[in-house]
Amino acid sequence: GIQVEQSPPDLILQEGANSTLRCNFSDSVNNLQWFHQNPWGQLINLFYIPSGTKQNGRLSATTVATERYSLLYISSSQTTDSGVYFCAVLSGGYQKVTFGIGTKLQVIP
Amino acid sequence: NAGVTQTPKFQVLKTGQSMTLQCAQDMNHEYMSWYRQDPGMGLRLIHYSVGAGITDQGEVPNGYNVSRSTTEDFPLRLLSAAPSQTSVYFCASSLRASGRTDTQYFGPGTRLTVL
Repeated sequence: GIQVEQSPPDLILQEGANSTLRCNFSDSVNNLQWFHQNPWGQLINLFYIPSGTKQNGRLSATTVATERYSLLYISSSQTTDSGVYFCAVLSGGYQKVTFGIGTKLQVIP
Repeated sequence: NAGVTQTPKFQVLKTGQSMTLQCAQDMNHEYMSWYRQDPGMGLRLIHYSVGAGITDQGEVPNGYNVSRSTTEDFPLRLLSAAPSQTSVYFCASSLRASGRTDTQYFGPGTRLTVL
């Protein structure tokens, strides 16, 4: 099946700093999503982005499907951004979603 | 809309017991799925359904059964609980089975401990 790798595995930021999270995948995808899991365990959808660039406030995402990677940018980080960020893909003709193991972000005041 | 709801929030079982985790959505979504989340392993797909009466296996289906008799409900059954099934279970849904244009919405999760 498709492999999804996320980097870095852990990240500590000072409040106000910017960061870039990366998701590499091993095959072509029909669907790519970024999720944030907050410290209470809730999974929140951030972006549906199989290709191109999207922005939502301080967050933006870019997927370069031909090169099989996606980037999530967090600008002016806040403590509420802490948690785990997951990339999830739906590949080929399958209807099975594969998650990466996530990037754990801690934003300190 | 309530979105995706799961019950119970917490459950403790003894080895060999059976139970059903409930999942319901009120968004008329075709696609529903169950994941388990274990430390350091992200979310892994257990079973999924592309519509009422249609289910299929995911990455880690052993020890679990599902059925989809209605669009709204997608229960997950543990047949004979084992300590290896201690995990957090998430249910998710999306509008269309193809997934091409739809985001997944997750329930709040069920934390299961098997002793």
